Amino acid sequence: EAQVTQNPRYLITVTGKKLTVTCSQNMNHEYMSWYRQDPGLGLRQIYYSMNVEVTDKGDVPEGYKVSRKEKRNFPLILESPSPNQTSLYFCASSFTPSLSGANVLTFGAGSRLTVL
Amino acid sequence: AQSVTQLDSHVSVSEGTPVLLRCNYSSSYSPSLFWYVQHPNKGLQLLLKYTSAATLVKGINGFEAEFKKSETSFHLTKPSAHMSDAAEYFCVVNHPSGNMLTFGGGTRLMVNP
Repeated sequence: EAQVTQNPRYLITVTGKKLTVTCSQNMNHEYMSWYRQDPGLGLRQIYYSMNVEVTDKGDVPEGYKVSRKEKRNFPLILESPSPNQTSLYFCASSFTPSLSGANVLTFGAGSRLTVL
Repeated sequence: AQSVTQLDSHVSVSEGTPVLLRCNYSSSYSPSLFWYVQHPNKGLQLLLKYTSAATLVKGINGFEAEFKKSETSFHLTKPSAHMSDAAEYFCVVNHPSGNMLTFGGGTRLMVNP
């Protein structure tokens, strides 16, 4: 089944303890992206990657890192988590955006992170 | 720059009545526009997309949206609500490069029996 898989789905951690949220897709998509969802703010883009070894900042990259060493994987790293990073995180992927700019995303099921 | 405003954070309708979820966008170029739906504890699923072809776009589950450039709107409609339509809906504008997507704040649709 074509899908985007995120792990863990739920995590409670403490301030400053490094964590990684993994994201893997099995659709051979070039484009991958991370979002955080907060009430009333919709989804905000953290980082995106157009292909292997190519990553760019989105709207809210502060406090996050990413890497794209393989096409299928795009982990999100929080080096020193803080309580304001408590949120619901989504990974998404797609084929290279078309010339029309229409980027149709496939989303993972989400990872709910709580930082105490 | 681009932005999206969903005019209602919550909409409540009765089953069998029409649904209207409003979305206005701001963009300095010709955007692509999308509606995604999020059911509880699920990821987002594409409902429909507009990419500069027909201005009236049909999506899954009987939903439609009309692109009105003069009003910078992309409202989502459905003639008759079903209980299974209860979810959160997001309007999204896509930069022409395809790289940057901007989401609206979401509209939670409640369907009453």
